Amino acid sequence: QKEVEQDPGPLSVPEGAIVSLNCTYSNSAFQYFMWYRQYSRKGPELLMYTYSSGNKEDGRFTAQVDKSSKYISLFIRDSQPSDSATYLCAMSAPLRGGNKLTFGTGTQLKVEL
Amino acid sequence: EPEVTQTPSHQVTQMGQEVILRCVPISNHLYFYWYRQILGQKVEFLVSFYNNEISEKSEIFDDQFSVERPDGSNFTLKIRSTKLEDSAMYFCASRAGTSGSRNEQFFGPGTRLTVL
Repeated sequence: QKEVEQDPGPLSVPEGAIVSLNCTYSNSAFQYFMWYRQYSRKGPELLMYTYSSGNKEDGRFTAQVDKSSKYISLFIRDSQPSDSATYLCAMSAPLRGGNKLTFGTGTQLKVEL
Repeated sequence: EPEVTQTPSHQVTQMGQEVILRCVPISNHLYFYWYRQILGQKVEFLVSFYNNEISEKSEIFDDQFSVERPDGSNFTLKIRSTKLEDSAMYFCASRAGTSGSRNEQFFGPGTRLTVL
């Protein structure tokens, strides 16, 4: 079983739709959860960071963590064509000086006009 | 807004040659990382660096790889004898600290390494 599972997509939605992106994980040591957006051949851009179960909202983005189910989600409201990108979930376990990130494979999202 | 920078953006080299990839992390950050992403694959951890020493490394990070922080601003990744399979995007990342939002990792734009 992979440590982090993420549906690669592609996911295609109309402009204005609510998008739901998900990851599951198997390592119960993971405590920090991040969502990155990556445009083609660019570096990952941090969108959301959370370290507790529950919801965290930032503008059109909501990150949700359910540690009991080992499941995280990213919701995008009022999706725009500029949201078209690959979305990566990443997580880490507390480790002195470490905290390496383990990534999912990324979900490719296309928002169409 | 502070950001991680990387040079060069694209490096082409012959198999067996040494390459050095350079990064300037965000200035008040204390923890530094290298990751790589082979085309079409997921981002993979290579190494983490704190207090002038490696704190963790992956099985990918073998004796051909080394990291250095030669001065107060640069962080470098050296590959001594490149192989075809080293062709990938290499990302540098940095983190401020260990508590709350200081635990966020910020990535640079990457260096695309092509080994011929």
